[in-house]
Amino acid sequence: GAVVSQHPSRVICKSGTSVKIECRSLDFQATTMFWYRQFPKQSLMLMATSNEGSKATYEQGVEKDKFLINHASLTLSTLTVTSAHPEDSSFYICSARDGTGRRAANTGELFFGEGSRLTVL
Amino acid sequence: SQQGEEDPQALSIQEGENATMNCSYKTSINNLQWYRQNSGRGLVHLILIRSNEREKHSGRLRVTLDTSKKSSSLLITASRAADTASYFCATGNTGANSKLTFGKGITLSVRP
Repeated sequence: GAVVSQHPSRVICKSGTSVKIECRSLDFQATTMFWYRQFPKQSLMLMATSNEGSKATYEQGVEKDKFLINHASLTLSTLTVTSAHPEDSSFYICSARDGTGRRAANTGELFFGEGSRLTVL
Repeated sequence: SQQGEEDPQALSIQEGENATMNCSYKTSINNLQWYRQNSGRGLVHLILIRSNEREKHSGRLRVTLDTSKKSSSLLITASRAADTASYFCATGNTGANSKLTFGKGITLSVRP
């Protein structure tokens, strides 16, 4: 199936630093990528929708200046957690939709990365 | 906001038994999808059922959709220990930018 690569899988940083997480679609063009946050034993909360070449659309309550999203190419979206604090510690997951519709029988399916566990000390 | 609500929240069964998980949602949808997540990993798409479909099969998986009751069920037959994971239903609408709204998830434990 389609592969979405997310990097790094784990990151530990000091409070106040910024952390960048990359999400790449390896074998398809992802016109749309989604960034989720997941707390332990809870569901995925959509943070923002990332469209190639345009500004991301953030969900209500998500700080745009805190969580910077860049979707500069059809295969790469990045999430930067700026000035991270311990409360930002979480599991961040990206997903991508195949813009050409060839990878899936329908365009409803999302392909997920393996997630990035952020721990802010 | 959460749209899908799964039940039960946790399910423990013996290997070989069938596992049935239910999902209810609130608004009209174009499709409903089920995903699986192993602990600490990303999500894997299992099956998608469109709003005009009532039942769909994929291997040991059987999904039903009742749009009048706004509910769906996922049946895993002849469960295996490797089926142990969290299962999420997600609802979606049309459009390339349409986002999925995930339920809270069901933790399935299959005892060997």
